[in-house]
Amino acid sequence: DTEVTQTPKHLVMGMTNKKSLKCEQHMGHRAMYWYKQKAKKPPELMFVYSYEKLSINESVPSRFSPECPNSSLLNLHLHALQPEDSALYLCASSQGLAGGSTDTQYFGPGTRLTVL
Amino acid sequence: AQTVTQSQPEMSVQEAETVTLSCTYDTSENNYYLFWYKQPPSRQMILVIRQEAYKQQNATENRFSVNFQKAAKSFSLKISDSQLGDTAMYFCAFMKHAYEGTSGSRLTFGEGTQLTVNP
Repeated sequence: DTEVTQTPKHLVMGMTNKKSLKCEQHMGHRAMYWYKQKAKKPPELMFVYSYEKLSINESVPSRFSPECPNSSLLNLHLHALQPEDSALYLCASSQGLAGGSTDTQYFGPGTRLTVL
Repeated sequence: AQTVTQSQPEMSVQEAETVTLSCTYDTSENNYYLFWYKQPPSRQMILVIRQEAYKQQNATENRFSVNFQKAAKSFSLKISDSQLGDTAMYFCAFMKHAYEGTSGSRLTFGEGTQLTVNP
């Protein structure tokens, strides 16, 4: 089973709203990722959590706030977003990096976010 | 830094025929992994195939196979007996080997090739 789930599928929010995206996996993976993807472009890495600790932040604006409550869950809290933040937000997970094994990332279906 | 280049923004193929998507990459690493992901109109990113750089044998997954040329830094994807469901954006991606103690693996993506399978 290589399933990563994301909720909601679609989200429309105003620039003053606060909302959250949720990602869940039950594969025992210890690394989780947030990506942003614009139409017809490859995904851009935003954050990486490794063993529930934030290990990579790709200089993402503070209006995006990640959270990893446990090894299965990853949230992305959104506040005061701009219209240019409208995109598909993808979550991914991988085994994690114990012993230098290959670390294939499996993606969720994404949340399509529209900021008005 | 690594770069991945997909030189064919769009391709089309007739159903049941074979098509090859190109990918080249640039790296100074010796241990790494290469991937092909497909993203159909539903936008779900799906792993198609994976290749370990230390393996000389080309990876295959049913109708999908790769031609991995390490010296040339080339990693093409061949789709045999194309099906309508193969219509998707295909991304080639590079990941360097992660050693114990490092945290987080980075995927470097190419710009993608939009493949359309025609009936």
